[in-house]
Amino acid sequence: AQKVTQAQTEISVVEKEDVTLDCVYETRDTTYYLFWYKQPPSGELVFLIRRNSFDEQNEISGRYSWNFQKSTSSFNFTITASQVVDSAVYFCALSGLNSGGSNYKLTFGKGTLLTVNP
Amino acid sequence: NAGVTQTPKFQVLKTGQSMTLQCAQDMNHEYMSWYRQDPGMGLRLIHYSVGAGITDQGEVPNGYNVSRSTTEDFPLRLLSAAPSQTSVYFCASSPDRKSGNTIYFGEGSWLTVV
Repeated sequence: AQKVTQAQTEISVVEKEDVTLDCVYETRDTTYYLFWYKQPPSGELVFLIRRNSFDEQNEISGRYSWNFQKSTSSFNFTITASQVVDSAVYFCALSGLNSGGSNYKLTFGKGTLLTVNP
Repeated sequence: NAGVTQTPKFQVLKTGQSMTLQCAQDMNHEYMSWYRQDPGMGLRLIHYSVGAGITDQGEVPNGYNVSRSTTEDFPLRLLSAAPSQTSVYFCASSPDRKSGNTIYFGEGSWLTVV
């Protein structure tokens, strides 16, 4: 069974602060993918990043960065110099490649509500 | 390119009524799936399909039926709606059998059962 834990239910910061959203996962699959999605108040799901289990390089995209550590089964997301527009629910998700290699489905964490105050 | 299209966007149903949430994609994707989102629960997989004519159950399939007669369409049917099915529903599609390829989500359907 797969599991994704986002222990932070809600985070509130003041604009320009840095904030890290935690994600811890469990899977028996040796090949898997990790995702982060953003859900703004308008409700749609916005894809942010996908990382495969063989690539532990950290990634930076503008003010966003991701830290993937297989040793601790974590895939944390940091927003640098947060802005009000970053206010949203953020979901971490896992997609495992079962033995046999053809199944597909996402397991989501419960999400972290980030509020950035001006 | 319309991507993944869900209809309706909003719906109110009475308990016991039936309805179908439509999902269509124009990207010739093999994989399609339905998720529901409830407060504090994240998104949970209802049903999924790995190709036309093939469907399977996800984590929370009870009360829902699906079919996949064409590659493009993957409707979700509620045969007898219950208040517990009040939720936001997302349809998703993905281009091939490899886990982790880009997953495209629809804009969501807000369903209220009274």
